[in-house]
Amino acid sequence: DIQMTQSPSSLSASVGDRVTITCRASQGIGNYLAWYQQKPGKVPKLLMYGASTLMSGVPSRFSGAGFGTDFTLSISSLQPEDVATYYCQKYNRAPLTFGGGTKVEIK
Amino acid sequence: QVQLVQSGTEVKKPGASVKVSCKVSGHTLTEVGLHWVRQAPGKGLEWMGGSDPEDGERLFAQEFRGRVTMTEDTSSDTAYMELSSLRSEDTATYYCAIFGIRPYYFNVDVWGQGTTVTVSS
Repeated sequence: DIQMTQSPSSLSASVGDRVTITCRASQGIGNYLAWYQQKPGKVPKLLMYGASTLMSGVPSRFSGAGFGTDFTLSISSLQPEDVATYYCQKYNRAPLTFGGGTKVEIK
Repeated sequence: QVQLVQSGTEVKKPGASVKVSCKVSGHTLTEVGLHWVRQAPGKGLEWMGGSDPEDGERLFAQEFRGRVTMTEDTSSDTAYMELSSLRSEDTATYYCAIFGIRPYYFNVDVWGQGTTVTVSS
């Protein structure tokens, strides 16, 4: 099975900073990658799919890039409401594996 | 507006089974790709299995094969996930989620509220 590896596992940044999270697939998955945001005590929220297509209502400070094995989620200007754990998920074929998560905190 | 409502908290003993329900409203069960995801306390998301919204194929995570049964009652638009031979490591919040309204992935983002399952002797 294809493994999904996220890095870093956690990060702390200042409000206004640019933040980038990486997700690496052990084999190519095309652009079949989704990103989720999960705030403490809440259900996950889909941010984007197709590696870079934002869901309606997601702030434009979020962006995604990548194809094949290497993907990134970026937040152009970190806001306090972005404190959450972020997960990538492959969906090209089963298993629809999630990455291990990246916890984002404010410094 | 499609919504998912799950059954309530469960406490089970090791070796027992648990059956979690997930009722779909706003669409019929046959129109959606419904999946099950679990999250152990303080841990990440773990995909268990579900229905591919593109072609309806049933998909399963290897680690749950033989222990998980996913069924659907189309008359009530309710999906069920039954996990057997429970062990303490199965203590988690179990979510149902719609990964897409057929035939597309991620044209919606809908999750149930989660069902807490505790396995303890």
